[in-house]
Amino acid sequence: DAGVTQTPRHEVAEKGQTIILKCEPVSGHNDLFWYRQTKIQGLELLSYFRSKSLMEDGGAFKDRFKAEMLNSSFSTLKIQPTEPKDSAVYLCASSRHNTEVFFGKGTRLTVV
Amino acid sequence: GDSVTQMQGQVTLSEDDFLFINCTYSTTWYPTLFWYVQYPGEGPQLLLKVTTANNKGISRGFEATYDKRTTSFHLQKASVQESDSAVYYCVLGDTNSAGNKLTFGIGTRVLVRP
Repeated sequence: DAGVTQTPRHEVAEKGQTIILKCEPVSGHNDLFWYRQTKIQGLELLSYFRSKSLMEDGGAFKDRFKAEMLNSSFSTLKIQPTEPKDSAVYLCASSRHNTEVFFGKGTRLTVV
Repeated sequence: GDSVTQMQGQVTLSEDDFLFINCTYSTTWYPTLFWYVQYPGEGPQLLLKVTTANNKGISRGFEATYDKRTTSFHLQKASVQESDSAVYYCVLGDTNSAGNKLTFGIGTRVLVRP
């Protein structure tokens, strides 16, 4: 079975640009999560979908971060406009209801 | 809100050393507790899980006991190998919400020298 697939693996953006990160969850999973990972803050939840409905939008990340699930097998995270402090690894994860959460390998974003 | 506190920074060990990473949690619910492990270039993956207080989880030689009295879930392994070098996260799962939300600790990097 394919795991969670994230593309691209690396992204370099200039300050002010719009970037879109992509995620394909494990087939049949109905929960999808976006996390941001930094050395200082660790893993922070950005968004959480259940059966394509947005359950949590990560409060502090509302302004410039927007996650969408266009269908049950594809999600995007848009950051607009990017700032240097957005440099981090963005992780997508999926699960069936209340079972093990599987993570993708992440997208490393660098904003210059 | 829910929170997890674990030792930060890096733990450096030699092969066959004993590993101990402390973890305490705070929540108003009865959580499921996890340890996740992350290898370089990979996402976190589940190491072990315990759903019931006073139970112990065991996986790949690692073990952790869910202690409701002290709200702790320390991870230990009797004899580490170089392949155990990774970042370890103590994680609290919110089983009272409608979903599967995880709250991560800050992570502890373990480096095992051959």
